[in-house]
Amino acid sequence: GAGVSQSPSNKVTEKGKDVELRCDPISGHTALYWYRQSLGQGLEFLIYFQGNSAPDKSGLPSDRFSAERTGGSVSTLTIQRTQQEDSAVYLCASKGLAGVTDTQYFGPGTRLTVL
Amino acid sequence: AQTVTQSQPEMSVQEAETVTLSCTYDTSESDYYLFWYKQPPSRQMILVIRQEAYKQQNATENRFSVNFQKAAKSFSLKISDSQLGDAAMYFCAYRSASGANSKLTFGKGITLSVRP
Repeated sequence: GAGVSQSPSNKVTEKGKDVELRCDPISGHTALYWYRQSLGQGLEFLIYFQGNSAPDKSGLPSDRFSAERTGGSVSTLTIQRTQQEDSAVYLCASKGLAGVTDTQYFGPGTRLTVL
Repeated sequence: AQTVTQSQPEMSVQEAETVTLSCTYDTSESDYYLFWYKQPPSRQMILVIRQEAYKQQNATENRFSVNFQKAAKSFSLKISDSQLGDAAMYFCAYRSASGANSKLTFGKGITLSVRP
């Protein structure tokens, strides 16, 4: 597609349930990032995928969070046993293989609310 | 670890006037990149302007320009001739030039309102 898309746009869930958030990057982009934006905060890095390399999971806040990227394209962020502190906007970004000044293009995010 | 600080949570500007948004950062690296992103209510993060640390010349993009002071680790954004469409949250971000993970480190953002 023309830009990064994310689904669903909004997700309301009950504490303890699992959720899956989806990201469709720009076609041909090899790098994909997940960030979390809590209320009143900046974006916090979660995980990074680059091609077929092992992902950088250094930003994942707990083992309840996981992500995968199938076929080097679509990515799914899974949060198990959701907690109220997981409520946030989850943003995905993708980037092509370019020079060092290449740009990350962001999707519109998924707003997750855990009741 | 790198940190980015935006100490002003909110600012307001009159339409057609000029406003400057402040950002400071902390790093031990000498080569890096700095960015300003705009986030309107639609939540979509839009790149406004970027600066390579090795360049002395301040970046400009139409009505947007930066004042990059490397020694002071300061990176402010100036918006000239402010328009109603400039109202949004603005985030300052840092990216290392080294390492495989080109993740962005963001400040907490500033909410800019534009008065008609």
